[in-house]
Amino acid sequence: DAGVIQSPRHEVTEMGQEVTLRCKPISGHDYLFWYRQTMMRGLELLIYFNNNVPIDDSGMPEDRFSAKMPNASFSTLKIQPSEPRDSAVYFCASSRLAGGRLSLSDTQYFGPGTRLTVL
Amino acid sequence: KQEVTQIPAALSVPEGENLVLNCSFTDSAIYNLQWFRQDPGKGLTSLLLIQSSQREQTSGRLNASLDKSSGRSTLYIAASQPGDSATYLCAVRPKAAGNKLTFGGGTRVLVKP
Repeated sequence: DAGVIQSPRHEVTEMGQEVTLRCKPISGHDYLFWYRQTMMRGLELLIYFNNNVPIDDSGMPEDRFSAKMPNASFSTLKIQPSEPRDSAVYFCASSRLAGGRLSLSDTQYFGPGTRLTVL
Repeated sequence: KQEVTQIPAALSVPEGENLVLNCSFTDSAIYNLQWFRQDPGKGLTSLLLIQSSQREQTSGRLNASLDKSSGRSTLYIAASQPGDSATYLCAVRPKAAGNKLTFGGGTRVLVKP
């Protein structure tokens, strides 16, 4: 398997523009996570999906952020309008329930990230 | 609210020395604890996962221990090599948080040849 795929790897945009980040999870994984990493705040979970359904979006900073998962092999994170404080590395990760039980091994596999710079 | 702390934030050791990385968490009600490695400009790679019922996990030169009652985990890397230079993050999966991980801030390790 190619692992979790994210695109683009780097994005530079101007304040006010719409930004769309893309993620393809590992085939067969039923959980998908979006994280943001900054020097100041470390790694923060923004939202996660189970079987394409958003389960917890409490980490989404504000209404400018939205995420979708139209099918099991694709998810997007959109920022509209973007602001300089959104500059960060955005990671997508996926995992699979082992044996259908939440408490069992559920290692998350991370993509390489998208480095977003908003000028 | 679960908080995860890693001290020190940075560590430098000569090649061959054993590495000891610390992680502490405030709420012992967890499903598991994971150690990740992050290389510059890259994503995270899972190294070890310890279930809440386990005391330790080993993989090659890596050994991670878990003391849930005291809220601590330690990652040991034996006979460090320059290739071990990276940032190491620990993360817990709180029972009250569904399938979410809470990450520590990481320890940046430099192994000098």
